[in-house]
Amino acid sequence: GAGVSQSPSNKVTEKGKDVELRCDPISGHTALYWYRQSLGQGLEFLIYFQGNSAPDKSGLPSDRFSAERTGGSVSTLTIQRTQQEDSAVYLCASSPQIQKDNEQFFGPGTRLTVL
Amino acid sequence: DAKTTQPNSMESNEEEPVHLPCNHSTISGTDYIHWYRQLPSQGPEYVIHGLTSNVNNRMASLAIAEDRKSSTLILHRATLRDAAVYYCIPLTQGGSEKLVFGKGTKLTVNP
Repeated sequence: GAGVSQSPSNKVTEKGKDVELRCDPISGHTALYWYRQSLGQGLEFLIYFQGNSAPDKSGLPSDRFSAERTGGSVSTLTIQRTQQEDSAVYLCASSPQIQKDNEQFFGPGTRLTVL
Repeated sequence: DAKTTQPNSMESNEEEPVHLPCNHSTISGTDYIHWYRQLPSQGPEYVIHGLTSNVNNRMASLAIAEDRKSSTLILHRATLRDAAVYYCIPLTQGGSEKLVFGKGTKLTVNP
């Protein structure tokens, strides 16, 4: 079946612009996670959703970052007033539910470059 | 979150077994041990997980020490496609089951 998809695959933007990154999880998966991977920081957690609510936003680096999920499906990560340090690969993952023995299925990522 | 220690890099020859070690001495009794890998230019992918007993699946085997302070991921016959960064991740109890990635082990497979 279809895996996790993300769009766009690549995004180049200018410093100060806003960007939206989209994630389509596997159908029926209630848990959705956002991570990012940058050269200096490795893979780091940003936020997770259980259904449409986001109980853990602890990984969001600043208030310029926000995310929402609608209909228990698609999620959008928004970065306002982008900075060069926001350049990274943004990864989305989904899981059938929040459970310690569940695997997370990752999408291919969106590579964001802020000039 | 439980801290993990993995070798920065390891090398193997094709079709030979590979043993990737991980120390997680601060793991709690209810934490599952997950392994993920990341092939070049791809998102991470799940490999295997376990709690106390050794586990096998089509990709690999996971050997867990009796005291659970360490584990070893075993690839029985390495292929070139197994070249990746391998991450050992104790999944801590906390409600979100977010993955906390360390630096992992970069595995090189020689033809």
